[in-house]
Amino acid sequence: DAGITQSPRYKITETGRQVTLMCHQTWSHSYMFWYRQDLGHGLRLIYYSAAADITDKGEVPDGYVVSRSKTENFPLTLESATRSQTSVYFCASRASGRALSGELFFGEGSRLTVL
Amino acid sequence: AQSVTQLGSHVSVSEGALVLLRCNYSSSVPPYLFWYVQYPNQGLQLLLKYTSAATLVKGINGFEAEFKKSETSFHLTKPSAHMSDAAEYFCAVRGVGYNKLIFGAGTRLAVHP
Repeated sequence: DAGITQSPRYKITETGRQVTLMCHQTWSHSYMFWYRQDLGHGLRLIYYSAAADITDKGEVPDGYVVSRSKTENFPLTLESATRSQTSVYFCASRASGRALSGELFFGEGSRLTVL
Repeated sequence: AQSVTQLGSHVSVSEGALVLLRCNYSSSVPPYLFWYVQYPNQGLQLLLKYTSAATLVKGINGFEAEFKKSETSFHLTKPSAHMSDAAEYFCAVRGVGYNKLIFGAGTRLAVHP
């Protein structure tokens, strides 16, 4: 089915471990985004990508690494997880030229708990 | 800098009552404003958007919002709440450079019988 899928949906890890959250979209959208959702903060942008091999920092990039070797995939890596990175992570995508539509398409989220 | 403030983290209404969710924005560029809805255990989906055309914007599921420049507001309303409207609602403003949306903290709407 077409859409945007995230995996894993739920993950529990320990402080200091590396974790990668996967995001895959089937629309060939140019833009992809990673947000984290925390109580009282809403959604905050971590990183975004305008195309394959083009990434840029968002509002809260520290502690995260992204890559985009293929248009359809945009993995988010926590190189050394900390408890403050416990959150719900959302991947989103948008077609090029649709900036003014504002219509981001979101995945269902990945709930990460760092113990 | 762009920012969004949603007044009230929780709103509770009776079924059939008016829904009013408040959003105020700050923007250094002409604002493009959005409301998104998040149902439990799901991602966000676009409810409606203001992109400098009509100031009264109609969205899905009977929701609408009015852009008021003088008040820097973009409040979301629905005349009659339904149980299925229970969700979290996010107001957002476009960031500088078009590539980013800046989200508010969200308002959780509860609808009781």
